[in-house]
Amino acid sequence: EAGVAQSPRYKIIEKRQSVAFWCNPISGHATLYWYQQILGQGPKLLIQFQNNGVVDDSQLPKDRFSAERLKGVDSTLKIQPAKLEDSAVYLCASSLGFASGYYTDTQYFGPGTRLTVL
Amino acid sequence: DQQVKQNSPSLSVQEGRISILNCDYTNSMFDYFLWYKKYPAEGPTFLISISSIKDKNEDGRFTVFLNKSAKHLSLHIVPSQPGDSAVYFCAASPEDSSYKLIFGSGTRLLVRP
Repeated sequence: EAGVAQSPRYKIIEKRQSVAFWCNPISGHATLYWYQQILGQGPKLLIQFQNNGVVDDSQLPKDRFSAERLKGVDSTLKIQPAKLEDSAVYLCASSLGFASGYYTDTQYFGPGTRLTVL
Repeated sequence: DQQVKQNSPSLSVQEGRISILNCDYTNSMFDYFLWYKKYPAEGPTFLISISSIKDKNEDGRFTVFLNKSAKHLSLHIVPSQPGDSAVYFCAASPEDSSYKLIFGSGTRLLVRP
């Protein structure tokens, strides 16, 4: 079974530029998450989708970050304009979601995109 | 406001000995706890979990203990192997059925041959 795919793996941009990340979740997974992991910290949830609807975006800096999940499959996360403090690894994860019917819902992570803002 | 804390940034143990990684949490509304393992240049992978109705869960060499009154959990790895060298993240999920995870800052484990 293919895992969560993310691209690009690495990106270097200058501040005030824009950047976009792409994620393809595991087939059949209804829930998709974007996390930001700053060096030395744990992943922090930015946004959670259930199919193509947003469940939680309370920690997404909406003045510069946006995300969409068209057709409930692939997702893109965009930063415009980027700031120095956006340098981090952006992780995408997917899970079966609410439809799993289980008490637990294991999240499977992609390899991440390492963003460096100069 | 760190709701999940891993106070030891690193741990070094000898191969064959026990590794004990600790995690504390502050939110009593958390009802599910997980450990993830992360190798360099890879995403975190699920390792083991425990529900708040239990105090212990075991899976092979890995055991997680939960002390709800102390708001503390620990991961025991016995025996430790060099391949266990990685960063271990503790995560917690609130009882609101969102399944969202709140992660600690991680502990880097080095198992010396």
